Amino acid sequence: AQSVTQLGSHVSVSEGALVLLRCNYSSSVPPYLFWYVQYPNQGLQLLLKYTSAATLVKGINGFEAEFKKSETSFHLTKPSAHMSDAAEYFCAVSDLNGANNLFFGTGTRLTVIP
Amino acid sequence: EPEVTQTPSHQVTQMGQEVILRCVPISNHLYFYWYRQILGQKVEFLVSFYNNEISEKSEIFDDQFSVERPDGSNFTLKIRSTKLEDSAMYFCASRRDRGTNEKLFFGSGTQLSVL
Repeated sequence: AQSVTQLGSHVSVSEGALVLLRCNYSSSVPPYLFWYVQYPNQGLQLLLKYTSAATLVKGINGFEAEFKKSETSFHLTKPSAHMSDAAEYFCAVSDLNGANNLFFGTGTRLTVIP
Repeated sequence: EPEVTQTPSHQVTQMGQEVILRCVPISNHLYFYWYRQILGQKVEFLVSFYNNEISEKSEIFDDQFSVERPDGSNFTLKIRSTKLEDSAMYFCASRRDRGTNEKLFFGSGTQLSVL
């Protein structure tokens, strides 16, 4: 069975500061991992995904995430936060072929302080 | 970028009433999904739909739930007799094909409040 845990339901950073959103996964098979973002009044948008190619994955809007098997982690980072990054971020894991189910974390709300 | 459209954005209903949540997936997509998120909890898979039938469903998706693709564009989720615990944000999603290379597109959700 697959699951993800997101540490911290709320994260606040200053504009220009490093963003670090944590995600740990549990999977009985090699995982496929995703980060989604939800801006207010919008749907979930895919930020990036890991599908067993490069362990460092670059996504949209300057975000990236590194798959670390030894730590079962897939933390999301961005070197310098922008006000527009304020949103809810969800980590998710899918089964081997990603055909159907995504198993989501509880989400982390990112606040950017000017 | 193409969008998945969900209506209404907010739905308030009385316990025991039937509700239908509507979704218009992206036009050339073949796989359709419903997820929900109860406030403060995880986004949970409900059901997937392909070729006019359910391909997979979770334990949450009991006999009170049904899905339908009544025409070539709409994909609906019906809750026959709503309970208080059905209050949640319901997300529709679609993708063109299976597999990890196929992006899953989500709608903006319908917030269902059962009173």
